[in-house]
Amino acid sequence: AQKVTQAQTEISVVEKEDVTLDCVYETRDTTYYLFWYKQPPSGELVFLIRRNSFDEQNEISGRYSWNFQKSTSSFNFTITASQVVDSAVYFCALSHSGGYQKVTFGTGTKLQVIP
Amino acid sequence: DGGITQSPKYLFRKEGQNVTLSCEQNLNHDAMYWYRQDPGQGLRLIYYSQIVNDFQKGDIAEGYSVSREKKESFPLTVTSAQKNPTAFYLCASSIRDRVYEQYFGPGTRLTVT
Repeated sequence: AQKVTQAQTEISVVEKEDVTLDCVYETRDTTYYLFWYKQPPSGELVFLIRRNSFDEQNEISGRYSWNFQKSTSSFNFTITASQVVDSAVYFCALSHSGGYQKVTFGTGTKLQVIP
Repeated sequence: DGGITQSPKYLFRKEGQNVTLSCEQNLNHDAMYWYRQDPGQGLRLIYYSQIVNDFQKGDIAEGYSVSREKKESFPLTVTSAQKNPTAFYLCASSIRDRVYEQYFGPGTRLTVT
């Protein structure tokens, strides 16, 4: 069985603050993928990043960065200098490779950035 | 532009009525998926289809039905047997077997009263 836990239900920060969204996963497989999606108020899920289990390098994309640590089964997401446009629900997800393997989503973290 | 279309954005129905949600994609993807989203519960898989004329139940298929007669289309019917149909429904598609690379539509918010 696979499971994704996003313990933070809602987070509020003031604009320009940094914020980290936590994601902890459980899986018995050695080969898997981890994702982050953003869901703005419009509803559509926007893909942010995919990581495979063999690549533990941290990644930075503009103000976004991701910290993947297999030792703690975590894939945390940090937004630097948050902006109002970052306000959304963020989902962490897990999938295995090979054939059809469903995606397991976390329950999401609602981020509110206050101007 | 390639993408996924879901219509309408908002849908209202009376209890006891079946309702069909549309999902169309022009990405030439073989696989398509339907998810249900409830507050605080993330996304749950209802049905998926990896190829035309074939589909499989997901985690919460009871009270729902689908068809896959065309590659581009994967409509979802919410039947009167679904006990709590009010939710946000998201459709997605992917290259077959690349479930880890799904593209999502804008969603349909269904309200049943």
